[in-house]
Amino acid sequence: GAVVSQHPSWVICKSGTSVKIECRSLDFQATTMFWYRQFPKQSLMLMATSNEGSKATYEQGVEKDKFLINHASLTLSTLTVTSAHPEDSSFYICSASLGSGNTIYFGEGSWLTVV
Amino acid sequence: GQQLNQSPQSMFIQEGEDVSMNCTSSSIFNTWLWYKQDPGEGPVLLIALYKAGELTSNGRLTAQFGITRKDSFLNISASIPSDVGIYFCAGHKTGNQFYFGTGTSLTVIP
Repeated sequence: GAVVSQHPSWVICKSGTSVKIECRSLDFQATTMFWYRQFPKQSLMLMATSNEGSKATYEQGVEKDKFLINHASLTLSTLTVTSAHPEDSSFYICSASLGSGNTIYFGEGSWLTVV
Repeated sequence: GQQLNQSPQSMFIQEGEDVSMNCTSSSIFNTWLWYKQDPGEGPVLLIALYKAGELTSNGRLTAQFGITRKDSFLNISASIPSDVGIYFCAGHKTGNQFYFGTGTSLTVIP
């Protein structure tokens, strides 16, 4: 299957700083990537849909100024958590759609801990 | 976004037993996807279904795209300890709209 890679796998940052998470499609071009947040033992919560070359579409309740998404190329989307706070600590996952857009592949996820 | 109704929420079974779980929706989907998520990792695609009535297998896993296009089923035969994890369904309509089930947590007792 298609491979989607996230980096870093885990990151610890100080409160008030910003942290960037990368999502790459390694063997295909993805015009659309998705960013999710997942709390323990819960399902995926879609944060935003990222389209290459255009602004991301954020879900209701997600602060676009806090969670900056950039999709500058067909193989890379980045999520930057700005002015991070402990409540932003979570598991962040990206996915990318393949081909006709009816199948998505997930990255390995990134653990963010804000101290 | 909208979530699909997935059941059961959790299952505790003996090794060797078969497992069944399903997802239902009040609306029609064009694609059904089944994923497995191990703790601390991203979901991995198990089976993709693109046609109503389609029955697809992947090893001991079998999934079906409901004929009404409003549901899908996943069966695991002869479960083994490494089947432990959370299983998610996902439905796709058009464009970028994907909807996820709430997950089924599977525990296999050796």
